[in-house]
Amino acid sequence: DAGVTQSPTHLIKTRGQQVTLRCSPKSGHDTVSWYQQALGQGPQFIFQYYEEEERQRGNFPDRFSGHQFPNYSSELNVNALLLGDSALYLCASNPTGTGRNYGYTFGSGTRLTVV
Amino acid sequence: DAKTTQPTSMDCAEGRAANLPCNHSTISGNEYVYWYRQIHSQGPQYIIHGLKNNETNEMASLIITEDRKSSTLILPHATLRDTAVYYCIVRVAPDNYGQNFVFGPGTRLSVLP
Repeated sequence: DAGVTQSPTHLIKTRGQQVTLRCSPKSGHDTVSWYQQALGQGPQFIFQYYEEEERQRGNFPDRFSGHQFPNYSSELNVNALLLGDSALYLCASNPTGTGRNYGYTFGSGTRLTVV
Repeated sequence: DAKTTQPTSMDCAEGRAANLPCNHSTISGNEYVYWYRQIHSQGPQYIIHGLKNNETNEMASLIITEDRKSSTLILPHATLRDTAVYYCIVRVAPDNYGQNFVFGPGTRLSVLP
């Protein structure tokens, strides 16, 4: 059973460019969350998608946007990249409304470097 | 902001029990305590969670004090592969899709041979 799959694993972009990161949730999971993890810090919540809608958002600017597709996969888009956007971007999925929830399942992340 | 306080780092000898403390003095009655760990260059991995009773699974044990203001994660026989950053998180009842996890800096556990 595949877990959470993220692509690409590594990416290098130039300041001002736009980037799209992709996530396929674990089989049976319908909710996807995105986190940003700067070097040496804990992950920071960006937003969460359920039923193709953004349900909750962390303290991130509008340059960060997302989308969820009918098959529950998700994309994270970042516009006008800044050097400070360099980080590991993590996708997590979980099932909703299934009773006891054992927490999120995280992918291995996409390492974004902005130069 | 994270609602928990953890030591920055800890060492443990291989084969010994690793006891990782966490303070969550402002925890509410409906908040669970979750533990995750993150091995270098990987995403966080769920370990265990609990409300007020002690919990045990194949990975670890979670001991929550009676007043619920602190907890301890116990890895009974630490191995080199347990070297990771361990995060203690409190979160409201998990079935609400709108609840996210707030990660602090965690505890960096080093298991030494």
